[in-house]
Amino acid sequence: EAQVTQNPRYLITVTGKKLTVTCSQNMNHEYMSWYRQDPGLGLRQIYYSMNVEVTDKGDVPEGYKVSRKEKRNFPLILESPSPNQTSLYFCASSLGEGGTYEQYFGPGTRLTVT
Amino acid sequence: GQQVMQIPQYQHVQEGEDFTTYCNSSTTLSNIQWYKQRPGGHPVFLIQLVKSGEVKKQKRLTFQFGEAKKNSSLHITATQTTDVGTYFCAGRSAGGTSYGKLTFGQGTILTVHP
Repeated sequence: EAQVTQNPRYLITVTGKKLTVTCSQNMNHEYMSWYRQDPGLGLRQIYYSMNVEVTDKGDVPEGYKVSRKEKRNFPLILESPSPNQTSLYFCASSLGEGGTYEQYFGPGTRLTVT
Repeated sequence: GQQVMQIPQYQHVQEGEDFTTYCNSSTTLSNIQWYKQRPGGHPVFLIQLVKSGEVKKQKRLTFQFGEAKKNSSLHITATQTTDVGTYFCAGRSAGGTSYGKLTFGQGTILTVHP
């Protein structure tokens, strides 16, 4: 089954404790992206990747890191999480560049930073 | 940077009434996509519009892309309880160099009263 998976689905952590949210897709998609969703603000793009070893900033990259060492995986790293990073995070992938092809979203990761 | 405004933020309708959400971009878009997110779920792709003035229909849903490619609308005729959810538009600026950067509107939350 074609899908985007994210882990963990729920995470409660404390300020400053490094964490990684994993994202994996099995569709051989070139493009992957991370979004955060906050009430009233919609989906805001954090980082995206056009292909392996090619990543770029979205609209809200501060406090986040990403890497794309393999085509299928695109982990999101929060090196020193802060309470303002409490949010619902979605990973997405598509065949090609964002906005040109249909994006497939993962189930989401709800992160709480205390 | 590019901004995409979506209105209204909330819409409550009686089942059988029509519903429209509007999307306005601060810049000309290369294309626009629409997504639906059911409560507790993840965004799911509905459609993509590419051409100036384009109109597409999916059963009771009608999507339009403005002549200037700066605005779009989604109209649902005779809403049903299955239409409940948040509707997002998403677009990429035309002529830019950030081919992977995608901006979402804030979303319109639709509730349908039976």
